[in-house]
Amino acid sequence: EDQVTQSPEALRLQEGESSSLNCSYTVSGLRGLFWYRQDPGKGPEFLFTLYSAGEEKEKERLKATLTKKESFLHITAPKPEDSATYLCAVLSLKGSFGAGTTVTVRA
Amino acid sequence: GAGVSQSPSNKVTEKGKDVELRCDPISGHTALYWYRQRLGQGLEFLIYFQGNSAPDKSGLPSDRFSAERTGESVSTLTIQRTQQEDSAVYLCASSWTVYNEQFFGPGTRLTVL
Repeated sequence: EDQVTQSPEALRLQEGESSSLNCSYTVSGLRGLFWYRQDPGKGPEFLFTLYSAGEEKEKERLKATLTKKESFLHITAPKPEDSATYLCAVLSLKGSFGAGTTVTVRA
Repeated sequence: GAGVSQSPSNKVTEKGKDVELRCDPISGHTALYWYRQRLGQGLEFLIYFQGNSAPDKSGLPSDRFSAERTGESVSTLTIQRTQQEDSAVYLCASSWTVYNEQFFGPGTRLTVL
């Protein structure tokens, strides 16, 4: 069975303080890994898809990377509006999502 | 184009009543998913549809839960004889195929009194 583990559970950052979120996975043949952002009271918003080890995707202050066992979401010089819960998921017929990392960025 | 829509946005019901939650996916998306998210918790997978078929219903929490999809479009999640533990946000998502990223609706917040 697919397993997705995210760490840390929560991350408090000062504005401008860069950091990384981790998503480790155990699957029998990764066919895709997704990152989402979820704001309170809203549905998750799609950010990135990564398909193979070594692949990188960027969007504004966010950069996602993938290895054979884990993915990282790097937040560079975060702003308060980057505060959200970030979810990763592996491509699966059973929607295998991690529990998320809640990021709080203080001004 | 329009995103995934869900209705109602909020539903308050009494214990023991039946409720129906509706999901309108993005047009052309063949795959559709239902999740449950309890307050402060992660996403709990319930069921997915490929076209109008649900190949695996094992994620549904109990036989009080059922779902259907018609016309490869709208889907309805029905909860019979609601219990207080059913209180949660129910999220629907759709994707081009089961091999693509999912796009989520805003959710239906269900409160069972």
